[in-house]
Amino acid sequence: AQSVTQLDSQVPVFEEAPVELRCNYSSSVSVYLFWYVQYPNQGLQLLLKYLSGSTLVESINGFEAEFNKSQTSFHLRKPSVHISDTAEYFCAVSDQRDNFNKFYFGSGTKLNVKP
Amino acid sequence: GAGVSQTPSNKVTEKGKYVELRCDPISGHTALYWYRQSLGQGPEFLIYFQGTGAADDSGLPNDRFFAVRPEGSVSTLKIQRTERGDSAVYLCASSPGPHNEQFFGPGTRLTVL
Repeated sequence: AQSVTQLDSQVPVFEEAPVELRCNYSSSVSVYLFWYVQYPNQGLQLLLKYLSGSTLVESINGFEAEFNKSQTSFHLRKPSVHISDTAEYFCAVSDQRDNFNKFYFGSGTKLNVKP
Repeated sequence: GAGVSQTPSNKVTEKGKYVELRCDPISGHTALYWYRQSLGQGPEFLIYFQGTGAADDSGLPNDRFFAVRPEGSVSTLKIQRTERGDSAVYLCASSPGPHNEQFFGPGTRLTVL
């Protein structure tokens, strides 16, 4: 089984500042990687995913994440955050050997963007 | 179109009671998942259905938990003899297939007094 670590439970940041949300996973086997976002009073939504190919993946709202196999990491970054990015962010990992996306989630990082 | 819906949104029950939580997946999605999210934690996998059958129930914590999906659409998570430790948000997700994006419902918040 995978173990997913999100070291920062809360990240306060000012609007227009850059941010990095860290995610590390335990196993070096081939994995699929995901970031989900949960806005206040809403369900989880997929933000971006890494399945194969380029190790840098981007979302439509300016977030990006880079798969680093040697460091078993998939950190999420945004160069300039907006108030509307305030949400909780969850990193999830699934093992490519499984016959379905059996997600292992981190404990989440609450991003609080201040004006 | 409609997303994944879950009912009820909140359920308060007493220790020892039986509860049922319902999930309506997106129409046409063959894969359905249940997760449990305890306070301050990320979602934990409970069970996966492909069609009507439970393909992987390895996440169910004990035999008090059971889930069904008799017609390959709506699913019900059943918890017998509830305990205070069962208090959590129960999430349902569906996807077009086993390796596709999972779409999550808003969850059912279960409180066991």
